[in-house]
Amino acid sequence: QITLKESGPTLVKPTQTLTLTCTFSGFSLSTGVGVAWVRQPPGKALEFLALIYWDDTERYNPSLESRLTITKDTSKNQVVLIMTNMDPVDTSTYYCAHDSVGDRGFDYWGQGTLVTVSS
Amino acid sequence: QSVLTQPPSASGTPGQRVTMSCSGSNSNIGGNSGYWYQQFPGTAPKLLIYRTNQRPSGVPDRFSGSKSGTSASLAISGLRSEDEADYYCAAWDDSLSAVVFGGGTKLTVL
Repeated sequence: QITLKESGPTLVKPTQTLTLTCTFSGFSLSTGVGVAWVRQPPGKALEFLALIYWDDTERYNPSLESRLTITKDTSKNQVVLIMTNMDPVDTSTYYCAHDSVGDRGFDYWGQGTLVTVSS
Repeated sequence: QSVLTQPPSASGTPGQRVTMSCSGSNSNIGGNSGYWYQQFPGTAPKLLIYRTNQRPSGVPDRFSGSKSGTSASLAISGLRSEDEADYYCAAWDDSLSAVVFGGGTKLTVL
């Protein structure tokens, strides 16, 4: 059974750096597997942020790439997303999701974590 | 503004067949698989369609996906009240080297 869970601060101040952790079980970041981050501002659409694959391939949303870093710790079954210079417009629910090579889509999602950016 | 364009709303009555569109370009929908996600308020998205027209295990065959050129479509037949949700399309974009989503379509079952 594949599960993912996001953790991190619920409130950050403008200009601060956000660090979110996705802890997963039921799979390992082995061949053919990746973990993605997707966010959703309140009442708005989904937005892809970043993706990391088993082979350390990284993909980023070009409009946010300068602010994002995605890393993995295979031994801990965790993927970490770092977003710098947070702004109130970054207030969103942040989701992590399981991806597998073979065009199977984001087939398992975490419950999401709401991050509010406010002074 | 989303890379993929979806109508903001759609509606239908129980039992009806409803389709919703997702318009992209050659760099995304035109050259790659389309995906559809269903999302209920306050919950995480759920994968509904992958590889343009494949259903994950457990997704009813009332849901079907297709593609024509640079547009993808999601059809729901035998509409039910529990289908009322937001639907998002997605695809890999070769130019951006990233996943792109549509703005979502809110489906109302009248």
